[in-house]
Amino acid sequence: EIVLTQSPATLSLSPGERATLSCRASQSVSNYLGWYQQKPGQAPRLLIYDASDRATGIPARFSGSGSGTDFTLTISSLEPADFAVYYCQQRSNWPITFGQGTRLEIK
Amino acid sequence: EVQLLESGGGLVQPGGSLRLSCAASGFTLNNYAMNWVRQAPGKGLEWVSSVDVTGVSADYADSVKGRFIIYRDSSKNTLYLQMNHLRVEDTAVYYCAQSMGAYYFDYWGQGTLVTVSS
Repeated sequence: EIVLTQSPATLSLSPGERATLSCRASQSVSNYLGWYQQKPGQAPRLLIYDASDRATGIPARFSGSGSGTDFTLTISSLEPADFAVYYCQQRSNWPITFGQGTRLEIK
Repeated sequence: EVQLLESGGGLVQPGGSLRLSCAASGFTLNNYAMNWVRQAPGKGLEWVSSVDVTGVSADYADSVKGRFIIYRDSSKNTLYLQMNHLRVEDTAVYYCAQSMGAYYFDYWGQGTLVTVSS
């Protein structure tokens, strides 16, 4: 099983700042990595797939990068609606696995 | 518009069974891989099961293998998760999710809560 480790566990930033979230895989997942946003009481929402492709309707301030074992989700300028929990997910190998999440909170 | 509506959650005793349903609208279930993902209270996301676009091939997390069965009814455009021999650790919100291409989860339902407790 591929283990995804996200860091930091919690990130405290202010609106307008840049957010950088990390996801590291225990073995290569090529570029088969996605990112999700989840707000309290809501289902997750797909943001990024295949490491760097934005899903339909996702604003350009969200970008993904990386390949192999190290990946980054960047939010260029935080808006109030962006404060949430973010998960990475790999589809390279069964079983599909998620990271443990990064909580992005308002400073 | 793609919509997924889960139902069938509730309180069940350990060892019991439950069947979850996910009614799809706005698309034909047969044309996509479909999935179940769960989230224990206050915890992260855990993939549970997927069925491929053909409906023939299914995969399961080790934690549910041999106890859960994923299947779909094309005539009802509905996905199911039959859960047997339930354990306390199966307590979670269960989401169904559509995969438009590869096994990412593009669209999600609102979830249904399953509580396993005596």
